[in-house]
Amino acid sequence: DTGVSQDPRHKITKRGQNVTFRCDPISEHNRLYWYRQTLGQGPEFLTYFQNEAQLEKSRLLSDRFSAERPKGSFSTLEIQRTEQGDSAMYLCASSSDRGLAGRQYFGPGTRLTVT
Amino acid sequence: KQEVTQIPAALSVPEGENLVLNCSFTDSAIYNLQWFRQDPGKGLTSLLLIQSSQREQTSGRLNASLDKSSGRSTLYIAASQPGDSATYLCAVSAGGTSYGKLTFGQGTILTVHP
Repeated sequence: DTGVSQDPRHKITKRGQNVTFRCDPISEHNRLYWYRQTLGQGPEFLTYFQNEAQLEKSRLLSDRFSAERPKGSFSTLEIQRTEQGDSAMYLCASSSDRGLAGRQYFGPGTRLTVT
Repeated sequence: KQEVTQIPAALSVPEGENLVLNCSFTDSAIYNLQWFRQDPGKGLTSLLLIQSSQREQTSGRLNASLDKSSGRSTLYIAASQPGDSATYLCAVSAGGTSYGKLTFGQGTILTVHP
């Protein structure tokens, strides 16, 4: 169990550019979640996958955001035409339906700064 | 819509004190409640998870209670240490088709000074 990993850890981009983040969950976990956290706030839910199926998307996830989880393994979160308001920490978490069902394990996050 | 509130927003205590962090939620139809710790600029570490059918969970110096009917949870930290300084987040998990989706409070920033 190597934990949840995210790449990159930091990303600085100019407004209008596209960015893509990657999340590798704990290997046996079938559920994967994306959250966004701005300074001084708790994380906010964006979307989640059960295996490769995207089951729910928050209304926070505008048309510029897209997430995938091909083959139910790693996931990517892409933001197109970034805006300064997209600056935040993007957190990924995974969980399993077995054992401690519902306990979510978080990665270190990707901090996005849009200039 | 589920809303989670944490009180106090910030807390500063001397080393060795026992302390209580509070969390309240508006919709009692939860699957579980988790307490997390977050160090500055880092991800979240799960501290305790309480299933909706449980009343409390303990881990070391930490004890979390859940009163689902009143929509409240407390995190009790015994004999606080400077290493406990962090932001503590409470999150409730929805059930049904939104299973696993966490709704977080804004957190309590804890500072334990020597």
